[in-house]
Amino acid sequence: AQTVTQSQPEMSVQEAETVTLSCTYDTSESDYYLFWYKQPPSRQMILVIRQEAYKQQNATENRFSVNFQKAAKSFSLKISDSQLGDAAMYFCAYRRGHNDMRFGAGTRLTVKP
Amino acid sequence: DGGITQSPKYLFRKEGQNVTLSCEQNLNHDAMYWYRQDPGQGLRLIYYSQIVNDFQKGDIAEGYSVSREKKESFPLTVTSAQKNPTAFYLCASSDPGQGVGQYFGPGTRLTVT
Repeated sequence: AQTVTQSQPEMSVQEAETVTLSCTYDTSESDYYLFWYKQPPSRQMILVIRQEAYKQQNATENRFSVNFQKAAKSFSLKISDSQLGDAAMYFCAYRRGHNDMRFGAGTRLTVKP
Repeated sequence: DGGITQSPKYLFRKEGQNVTLSCEQNLNHDAMYWYRQDPGQGLRLIYYSQIVNDFQKGDIAEGYSVSREKKESFPLTVTSAQKNPTAFYLCASSDPGQGVGQYFGPGTRLTVT
């Protein structure tokens, strides 16, 4: 079974600085997708960024980018120029097939002014 | 505006009572999902449905039931057989295609005493 591990239960960053959240996953598949979701205090899950496993180029969405290392099964999220609104729980997720979506336990990010 | 609605936001029930959580989407998505979120854990899949009148069990289906009579609606019933029903419940939907992220509703916090 596929598993997703987020080894950092909590992280903090100074406003305007850069922070990297870690995620590793376990799979024997070669074709899959990876996602980062943000869950602010409202608890609404928001899709931040996604990566297709067959693409070597790392995905980027404005201040959010990923470092995808397929061989190492690593998928970290980098947040640049951190803002107070970035404070949230961040979940890494793996998807293979239409219905098999696995989530990590989450990393709580605090942004200090 | 397109989206997913869940009602109510907070729900309180006495132990031994069945309770139904509502989930409605107007995104015209075929697939819908129910997740449970507990503190310190990621999301765990309860049930999913790829098409009307069809649904499958997820990882933690015991004590839950669903129906999918309409494309827009995917209600979840938490039965008295669910031993630890107090949790945050999230409904999601997605287009076909594993590369597409899932869109989430705002969630329902169920408290059973």
